[in-house]
Amino acid sequence: QKEVEQNSGPLSVPEGAIASLNCTYSDRGSQSFFWYRQYSGKSPELIMSIYSNGDKEDGRFTAQLNKASQYVSLLIRDSQPSDSATYLCAVSREGGSYIPTFGRGTSLIVHP
Amino acid sequence: ETGVTQSPTHLIKTRGQQVTLRCSSQSGHNTVSWYQQALGQGPQFIFQYYREEENGRGNFPPRFSGLQFPNYSSELNVNALELDDSALYLCASSSDVYRVQETQYFGPGTRLLVL
Repeated sequence: QKEVEQNSGPLSVPEGAIASLNCTYSDRGSQSFFWYRQYSGKSPELIMSIYSNGDKEDGRFTAQLNKASQYVSLLIRDSQPSDSATYLCAVSREGGSYIPTFGRGTSLIVHP
Repeated sequence: ETGVTQSPTHLIKTRGQQVTLRCSSQSGHNTVSWYQQALGQGPQFIFQYYREEENGRGNFPPRFSGLQFPNYSSELNVNALELDDSALYLCASSSDVYRVQETQYFGPGTRLLVL
């Protein structure tokens, strides 16, 4: 069974710090990796996608992928209170149709 | 705003009843996926429709069924509601289900409470 594991948190960081969110996955055939942000009571919003090993940067967000270790992470630089949300990691495999498997999410709290 | 809409936004039902949830996909998208998200959990895949055909199904019983219409909007039907069906139901649309780098965009969700 494909599994995506995330620490449920909460992860608490001070404003301006770097928040580091981690995700591991069990399916070695996974090819696409996504980070979604979900505010309380709202639907998930895609913030980053990554498909090859290494780092991918978009503004204050950096996604890091290591397929050998089956590990994907999200770094948020200069964290703001508005970044307080649950961050969902999603993974999909190659071949067949695109059906991602989601982790349970990590709750991030950025305190002033 | 993703362009994906869902109705209703909230719904209260009693155990044993039936419910229909609706989703309109983003313009140009031919694929709709439905997810159930219980409190404190990640979204769990229910099923996917591609060009009006079911294209994959998660570990949900047959009382969860769906449809996709020629305009690519979709319905999720749940029969014989159980208390554990209380959750946020999410619809997501995408434009090319077989493209490995495809992403999907979520609607605002329908919150269902079963009493």
